[in-house]
Amino acid sequence: DIQLTQSPSFLSASVGDRVTITCRASRGISTFLAWYQQKPGKAPKLLIYVASTLQSGVPSRFSGSGSGTEFTLTISGLQPEDIATYYCQQLNSYPPGSFGQGTKLEIK
Amino acid sequence: QVQLVESGGGLVKPGGSLRLSCAASAIKFNDYYMGWIRQAPGKGPEYIAYISGSGGTIFYADSVRGRFTVSRDNTKKSLYLQMNSLRAEDTAVYYCARDRPQECSGVGCYVGLQYWGQGTLVTVSS
Repeated sequence: DIQLTQSPSFLSASVGDRVTITCRASRGISTFLAWYQQKPGKAPKLLIYVASTLQSGVPSRFSGSGSGTEFTLTISGLQPEDIATYYCQQLNSYPPGSFGQGTKLEIK
Repeated sequence: QVQLVESGGGLVKPGGSLRLSCAASAIKFNDYYMGWIRQAPGKGPEYIAYISGSGGTIFYADSVRGRFTVSRDNTKKSLYLQMNSLRAEDTAVYYCARDRPQECSGVGCYVGLQYWGQGTLVTVSS
């Protein structure tokens, strides 16, 4: 099974900051990675798939990059509504599409 | 607007059973794989079951294989999860989600879980 490790697990940033979250895969997964945002009490929401393609309706301040074993999710200009937990999911060895353990983002 | 609505969660004793349902609307239901993903309190999501549009391909995570059964009724646009021999560690919010298209090629097969239900809580406790 492919393991995904996210870092950091917890992140505190100020409004307007550029925020980067990293997801590392235990073996190469090409670009078959998705990112989700989850707010408390809600289902995860798809932000990005195939590492860098923005899902329709997602603000352009979100971007993704990477391939192989290392991927990043970047928020350029953090907004208060971006406070959430972010998860990566690999889509290469599928099913199951294993998820990372999450990165909780808070406002400083 | 695609909508997925789960039902059937609740409190059950260890060893008991529950059947979850997921009703879909505004979706060509049989054109998509559908999945069940659960999330234990304070944990990340876990993809536990997956069924193709035709029902001919089914997957279970090791954690539920032999105890849970996924099925679908395309005429009712509904997805089901029969959960037997429930354990305390099955306590979680259970989500249904629309997965990849039944017919896809290239990038279209790797679009992630684009639609999720609101979730239904299953609590296994004596």
